[in-house]
Amino acid sequence: EDQVTQSPEALRLQEGESSSLNCSYTVSGLRGLFWYRQDPGKGPEFLFTLYSAGEEKEKERLKATLTKKESFLHITAPKPEDSATYLCAVQERDDKIIFGKGTRLHILP
Amino acid sequence: GAVVSQHPSRVICKSGTSVKIECRSLDFQATTMFWYRQFPKQSLMLMATSNEGSKATYEQGVEKDKFLINHASLTLSTLTVTSAHPEDSSFYICSARELGRSPTQYFGPGTRLTVL
Repeated sequence: EDQVTQSPEALRLQEGESSSLNCSYTVSGLRGLFWYRQDPGKGPEFLFTLYSAGEEKEKERLKATLTKKESFLHITAPKPEDSATYLCAVQERDDKIIFGKGTRLHILP
Repeated sequence: GAVVSQHPSRVICKSGTSVKIECRSLDFQATTMFWYRQFPKQSLMLMATSNEGSKATYEQGVEKDKFLINHASLTLSTLTVTSAHPEDSSFYICSARELGRSPTQYFGPGTRLTVL
């Protein structure tokens, strides 16, 4: 069964403490892997799309990487405003998108 | 770029009434729009996929007669919750994929539906 698993479920960091969020997937034919940020009561905000193993993308304090089995979202020197739920989603060849359950990130000032 | 809006952002209605939610792509044309619902502290669950000018494709377990979807143009899709009941209370989110571009979906801000 196709699956997208995010870990950890929740993560508390001190401001400035770098860490990584994991998204592991098992799908037959990856068309794209997506990272989104979601704040409470709001829709997901697009961060990155990755298409193939070895690809990396950066935006401010965030960097996303992709292998054949997993993706990492690295957050460097986070600030309290980076607190949110980070969602990973994977799209197969047939356009179906599967979302992980998300990682709730809390950055303490 | 790639902005998606939803209206209304919040709606409270009585049981038995119907509610329409609009989803618009503001600065791009969307061949495909998607409707999701999300329960508290859970991930997004795809309800249906709509393509402009054709019937929506519903996910297993989603009643097409209860959740009516219309994708009338390349920038507008609507979701109508018919004869709403308290168990339909949820956060409904739409997304849109740009015509001829990458598979990335851009999401609207969501609509909080509360059925009394």
